[in-house]
Amino acid sequence: AQSVTQPDIHITVSEGASLELRCNYSYGATPYLFWYVQSPGQGLQLLLKYFSGDTLVQGIKGFEAEFKRSQSSFNLRKPSVHWSDAAEYFCAISNDYKLSFGAGTTVTVRA
Amino acid sequence: GAGVSQSPSNKVTEKGKDVELRCDPISGHTALYWYRQSLGQGLEFLIYFQGNSAPDKSGLPSDRFSAERTGGSVSTLTIQRTQQEDSAVYLCASSLEGPNTEAFFGQGTRLTVV
Repeated sequence: AQSVTQPDIHITVSEGASLELRCNYSYGATPYLFWYVQSPGQGLQLLLKYFSGDTLVQGIKGFEAEFKRSQSSFNLRKPSVHWSDAAEYFCAISNDYKLSFGAGTTVTVRA
Repeated sequence: GAGVSQSPSNKVTEKGKDVELRCDPISGHTALYWYRQSLGQGLEFLIYFQGNSAPDKSGLPSDRFSAERTGGSVSTLTIQRTQQEDSAVYLCASSLEGPNTEAFFGQGTRLTVV
C-alpha cells in the first residue's frame, strides 16, 4: 500500500529565511502527490500537486515542490518565509480516489 | 456554493447520544469524501461517495458510523451512541470527478464527546 512519511514533526524558521519540508513516499508506480496546508482552526488548502511531467511544481503562496523518483521524495520549499506561513503542512499521496496523509509538519515562524 | 460547507462547526455532545454532521460539497462535484483528524491518529479516510453511492466505506471505524448522500449533493455523517474516542475534527472534501482529481476541503466539524 502506498504511504507518505514526513520525518520532521516541527520546524522553526526565521521570517525571511528559506523553508524546506521533507516528504518521502512509498509506491510502486508513478504517484499522485499533494501538499496541503492547514492554518489553525481551518480546513486543508491545496498548495500544489504532482501528477506527471515537469518534476518541479509551482504552487500558491510562493511554494514549490520537486519530485525525485530516485529518492522517492517530494519536498516542499519556499525561498523566503512570511509570518503567515506558520501552519501545519501535510504531504499526501493518492490511490485513485483515497488520499493517504503524512503525519504533518508544524511550522513556526519567528520574527 | 463557493466552497465546501460543513455544519455545525463545533458540536459538543454527551456520551451515548447520536450526532449528525452535514457536508455541502461544491456544486457539480460528483465525488465526496469524509476524513477524520484526531490527535495521535492524524488524518484518516472514512468514506468515499461517487454520486449517491459509496464504493468504499472501508475507513468507517465501527458500525456506529454511517453516511449517506442524497441527490448527488449533500452528505450526512451519523455517529450513533457516541464515545469519547469519537472526539475529533471531521473533514469533508469534494472533487470534480473522483480519481486523482483535486479535493477541496471544508473547514471541518469539531466534535467533542463529554
